[in-house]
Amino acid sequence: SQTIHQWPATLVQPVGSPLSLECTVEGTSNPNLYWYRQAAGRGLQLLFYSVGIGQISSEVPQNLSASRPQDRQFILSSKKLLLSDSGFYLCAWSVFPRRTYEQYFGPGTRLTVT
Amino acid sequence: GIQVEQSPPDLILQEGANSTLRCNFSDSVNNLQWFHQNPWGQLINLFYIPSGTKQNGRLSATTVATERYSLLYISSSQTTDSGVYFCAVGLYNFNKFYFGSGTKLNVKP
Repeated sequence: SQTIHQWPATLVQPVGSPLSLECTVEGTSNPNLYWYRQAAGRGLQLLFYSVGIGQISSEVPQNLSASRPQDRQFILSSKKLLLSDSGFYLCAWSVFPRRTYEQYFGPGTRLTVT
Repeated sequence: GIQVEQSPPDLILQEGANSTLRCNFSDSVNNLQWFHQNPWGQLINLFYIPSGTKQNGRLSATTVATERYSLLYISSSQTTDSGVYFCAVGLYNFNKFYFGSGTKLNVKP
C-alpha cells in the first residue's frame, strides 16, 4: 500500500531563516506530487505541483520554491522566511494510471515563523 | 481558476442528527473529492465522486455535474464526525485542484 511521509511535523523558525520541508511517497512510482498551504481556519491553497523529476509548476508567486530531486521526493524550500509563511503545509500525491487523479494527503507540517 | 463554495460554513449538531453539506463549483470538472480534516489536521479521503452517488456507511455523496454541485450526507452523526469537511474539484488534464473553504462541523454529545 502507498504511504506518504512529511517531516518535520512541527517547526518554529525565526524570520529570515531558511526552510526545507520534505515529503516522500512509498509504494508507488511516478506519482504526481503537490504542495498545499492552509492558513488557520481557511481552505487549502495549491502552491506547487510536479508531474516528474525536475518538473515543477508554481501556482502562486511567493517566497517559496519547490524541487523534485527523486521520483518520490518533493521538497519545499525558502531562502528567507517571512511572517506570512506561517501555516500548515500539506503534501499530496496522485497516480495518473488510475485515470482519476484522486489525491491522498500526508500528515502535514505546522510552520510558525516568529 | 474554478470557484468552489461550501455551505454552511459552520454547523452544530446534536449526536444522532442528520446533516447535508453542499459544494457548488463554477465550471465543469472531472475530479471531485470530499475530505474530512480531523482535529490533528489529517485530511481523510471520504469520496471520489465526479458524478453520481456513492455510499460508505453513514456517509453518502451525490454529485450532479451538469448542475455543478455536490452534496455530502451524514446520517446519525457521532462526535467523531466533528472536524472540517472540504470539497475539492479539478480538471485532471490541468493537474490543478481547487478547495472550498470548508464546513466546520461540531457534533455535541
